Amino acid sequence: NAGVTQTPKFRVLKTGQSMTLLCAQDMNHEYMYWYRQDPGMGLRLIHYSVGEGTTAKGEVPDGYNVSRLKKQNFLLGLESAAPSQTSVYFCASSYSSALSYEQYFGPGTRLTVT
Amino acid sequence: GENVEQHPSTLSVQEGDSAVIKCTYSDSASNYFPWYKQELGKGPQLIIDIRSNVGEKKDQRIAVTLNKTAKHFSLHITETQPEDSAVYFCAARDRYSDQTGANNLFFGTGTRLTVIP
Repeated sequence: NAGVTQTPKFRVLKTGQSMTLLCAQDMNHEYMYWYRQDPGMGLRLIHYSVGEGTTAKGEVPDGYNVSRLKKQNFLLGLESAAPSQTSVYFCASSYSSALSYEQYFGPGTRLTVT
Repeated sequence: GENVEQHPSTLSVQEGDSAVIKCTYSDSASNYFPWYKQELGKGPQLIIDIRSNVGEKKDQRIAVTLNKTAKHFSLHITETQPEDSAVYFCAARDRYSDQTGANNLFFGTGTRLTVIP
């Protein structure tokens, strides 16, 4: 099992450009999440999904959109990148059962917006 | 929303000594508190967690304690080893997660632990 994978690993964008980050999981998890990690601020939830075709806003959703067309994939889009979106982005997934709340994280995507 | 504070931000210990990292949370309705370890260039990985109906949990050299009244929880690592060097994050589960069906977490700002050989 690959677990949670993220594509790409690194990306540099110019202000105003758009891009999509792809997250894939092979654990048949219902829930998926997108976080951003900034120095001194820990991880902050951008958007999340509780199942195929459903998405919801997290703590810092502005400037991002997401889609969950397939259960195993969760896409994060930046329509018009800004320097404030320079960050490391992590995707995670988890079961829906109350028996386990553990989130499994991908390796991250380092995005720089110039 | 939930506010999680974590201290200290950096911690250096000699190999074999113990390390303690502390977190406080603001929402008394939070019911799940995980600790994640993040090694350089990797995603966070769960090392131990505790639910609000338990006061302490141990797993070999790692333990977590929870004080619901004071709204704080701590990570204890005994007999530290160089491979314990990493950034550690505490987190608290969002009170609305039971309603939304998600397991949304609010994270602390992290502690960089360095174990000196």
